[in-house]
Amino acid sequence: GENVEQHPSTLSVQEGDSAVIKCTYSDSASNYFPWYKQELGKRPQLIIDIRSNVGEKKDQRIAVTLNKTAKHFSLHITETQPEDSAVYFCAAANSGGSNYKLTFGKGTLLTVNP
Amino acid sequence: NAGVTQTPKFQVLKTGQSMTLQCAQDMNHEYMSWYRQDPGMGLRLIHYSVGAGITDQGEVPNGYNVSRSTTEDFPLRLLSAAPSQTSVYFCASNPAGDGYEQYFGPGTRLTVT
Repeated sequence: GENVEQHPSTLSVQEGDSAVIKCTYSDSASNYFPWYKQELGKRPQLIIDIRSNVGEKKDQRIAVTLNKTAKHFSLHITETQPEDSAVYFCAAANSGGSNYKLTFGKGTLLTVNP
Repeated sequence: NAGVTQTPKFQVLKTGQSMTLQCAQDMNHEYMSWYRQDPGMGLRLIHYSVGAGITDQGEVPNGYNVSRSTTEDFPLRLLSAAPSQTSVYFCASNPAGDGYEQYFGPGTRLTVT
């Protein structure tokens, strides 16, 4: 099955700096890569996703890049703010066919210091 | 829309007891999933369903049963609770198709003593 590795497990940045979280996946059939943000005590919520036919996607201060050859994808957050502090999870799935299941990384605790 | 709802929010069980975690969604989503979240382990898939009457095992299915008799409901049953099942459980749903967002419920915090 799919295996997703996520690094780093913790990341501390100063407000206004950029943050980068990296993930690798093992299954070359995976073609959908979402990122979820989970604030303390809350449910995970999708913040951005990318499909394998796209190399980069941006949404305001967040962007995701995908390198299919190397089987890795990254989340970039620019101009970080204290409200960006949360746990971030990457995930991978093969969304084709009749099955759909996400394999998640173990998460990155991002702390943005004012 | 209530989205994805889960009950109870908190539960304490003794080892060997059984219980059912309830999950319901009102978005007419075909796919539903159960995850458990443990510190440092991310979200691990327990069971999932791609439609009423169809279920399959995820990464950590042992000790859990599911059924999907309707599109809306996807209960998770713990047959004989063990301390290793202490965790936060999330139910999620999404439409069928190519890479749709999974919507998570608020979670159930389960402690087995």
